[in-house]
Amino acid sequence: DQQVKQNSPSLSVQEGRISILNCDYTNSMFDYFLWYKKYPAEGPTFLISISSIKDKNEDGRFTVFLNKSAKHLSLHIVPSQPGDSAVYFCAAISTGTASKLTFGTGTRLQVTL
Amino acid sequence: SAVISQKPSRDICQRGTSLTIQCQVDSQVTMMFWYRQQPGQSLTLIATANQGSEATYESGFVIDKFPISRPNLTFSTLTVSNMSPEDSSIYLCSVERGFQETQYFGPGTRLLVL
Repeated sequence: DQQVKQNSPSLSVQEGRISILNCDYTNSMFDYFLWYKKYPAEGPTFLISISSIKDKNEDGRFTVFLNKSAKHLSLHIVPSQPGDSAVYFCAAISTGTASKLTFGTGTRLQVTL
Repeated sequence: SAVISQKPSRDICQRGTSLTIQCQVDSQVTMMFWYRQQPGQSLTLIATANQGSEATYESGFVIDKFPISRPNLTFSTLTVSNMSPEDSSIYLCSVERGFQETQYFGPGTRLLVL
């Protein structure tokens, strides 16, 4: 039962353009959502998060949007840079419970010159 | 955030042997987590380790195969026992820190079992 889904395994974007990575979830109890970036041979690095009481959170070039009614979140990176090339995982959790952090399957982003 | 180190960073092991992975955090934390990332797949939680109590294992993972120690608030070990090629994975530890207990990860241990 995949509660967090990233339906695009890969994405290629030109440098300077916007990258949009999507994530869908099924568990309505999730109330905190995170994006991690992972380079090969490294651990995941926390990027940005959003609480379910918000619909947008911005940090520099990274913005996460949450649509609770659609159970959908997206990560926008603008402008995209070659150093952004990595695998991006979304994750979700129901805070205040004993539930675990649930990860999506990841999207590999390639930013081309 | 958190500064987390893992040892070893990578290893190649023979079938039937065991490997112990160490995780060290820069400050005290209540819970430490152990994950596995098999090739081409997502991160899967193996167990949660609280200091002073038995680790809590997720479905599909058992203590005999993945014994965990948590001797203090900054350190934990995960042992992969009686290894088979199917155990070839990246093993990651993480801790909760800050707002909404965001999890931060160590650099991972890349294990290849022949």
